[in-house]
Amino acid sequence: GAGVSQSPSNKVTEKGKDVELRCDPISGHTALYWYRQSLGQGLEFLIYFQGNSAPDKSGLPSDRFSAERTGGSVSTLTIQRTQQEDSAVYLCASSLQPGPNTEAFFGQGTRLTVV
Amino acid sequence: AQSVTQPDIHITVSEGASLELRCNYSYGATPYLFWYVQSPGQGLQLLLKYFSGDTLVQGIKGFEAEFKRSQSSFNLRKPSVHWSDAAEYFCAVGEAAGNKLTFGGGTRVLVKP
Repeated sequence: GAGVSQSPSNKVTEKGKDVELRCDPISGHTALYWYRQSLGQGLEFLIYFQGNSAPDKSGLPSDRFSAERTGGSVSTLTIQRTQQEDSAVYLCASSLQPGPNTEAFFGQGTRLTVV
Repeated sequence: AQSVTQPDIHITVSEGASLELRCNYSYGATPYLFWYVQSPGQGLQLLLKYFSGDTLVQGIKGFEAEFKRSQSSFNLRKPSVHWSDAAEYFCAVGEAAGNKLTFGGGTRVLVKP
């Protein structure tokens, strides 16, 4: 596609439920990132995928959070047993190559509301 | 650990006036510095970046930023703002060998007619 696509754009879920957020990166981009944007914490790095390498999970806030990237393309961020503090906008980004000298393109995000 | 501070949470500017957004960073080595803009309901768009060389960098939409190592700053400027510049602006620093960006808290810009 023309840009990074995220779905759903909005998700409302009940506390304790599991949710899956999807990211379709730009075709051919090998690096994929997830960030979280919340009122109290700003923009936080969550996880990074590069090719077939082991992902950098250093930003995941708890073991309720996990992510996969299948076939080096689509990625899914899963939050188990959601809590109200998980309410945020989850942003996905992709870049042609890893590293800060390659521009990362961001999707429009998924707004998650836990009620 | 690297960090980024944007001291101004909100800035209101009149259309046609100049704009300067402040950014201070903390990083041990030469930083990779970025400014992103986020319009309402949109993702982040890269305005400009600095890696090395000329400390004054030009970006899209008429924006420029100046890297000042002595002040650990990377302030964003625009000589004359347009109503369409109303948005939230984020400064970020990236590691030379790392895989993530560390963002500042953002500055929301309101443009008065």
